[in-house]
Amino acid sequence: DSGVTQTPKHLITATGQRVTLRCSPRSGDLSVYWYQQSLDQGLQFLIHYYNGEERAKGNILERFSAQQFPDLHSELNLSSLELGDSALYFCASSVATRSGENEQFFGPGTRLTVL
Amino acid sequence: GQNIDQPTEMTATEGAIVQINCTYQTSGFNGLFWYQQHAGEAPTFLSYNVLDGLEEKGRFSSFLSRSKGYSYLLLKELQMKDSASYLCAVLNTNAGKSTFGDGTTLTVKP
Repeated sequence: DSGVTQTPKHLITATGQRVTLRCSPRSGDLSVYWYQQSLDQGLQFLIHYYNGEERAKGNILERFSAQQFPDLHSELNLSSLELGDSALYFCASSVATRSGENEQFFGPGTRLTVL
Repeated sequence: GQNIDQPTEMTATEGAIVQINCTYQTSGFNGLFWYQQHAGEAPTFLSYNVLDGLEEKGRFSSFLSRSKGYSYLLLKELQMKDSASYLCAVLNTNAGKSTFGDGTTLTVKP
């Protein structure tokens, strides 16, 4: 158990819908990262927040947005869902300000299926 | 941008030694990570190298050469449970993020 929690574990929805994925980092970690992992593909970095502020952006679609709240939990919002958005979405947290100076601890992931 | 290359698949025998290579091209390099990921599960941290040389941690060791843009993960005394995907990730502080390779799927056979 990494100490990072993600809800829900599974999510099944239809095209065109909007969903919100939630992540709680490890106690004391200020950085939260979101990744997308599609079938047979590597981890794709989406976005990094540190203490409520956006620090880095990866290949995140305009239909996707995220935020980190004062209690440090984070939400990833996915809208106008398409079949290709079906993937495993991981959240990770770390102590460091900048991505990866210390190891990232990954949550169990949310498996999103768009039908 | 960043370019990270790893072999797609490798196979080895239980009890043997295997070396998984990773080459990268990046600016603003500030470290390289190796993660292990079992199918359907989250990645877990194995090692972090920021200086040249070998870091040993039990059955796993990781090596880095910054001048060559090269790293390897060495797994000794392979066990069946080592069958997994091994991800190489490069930290680029200029971009404020880590970029992951596509992973190497290792299959350990009896």
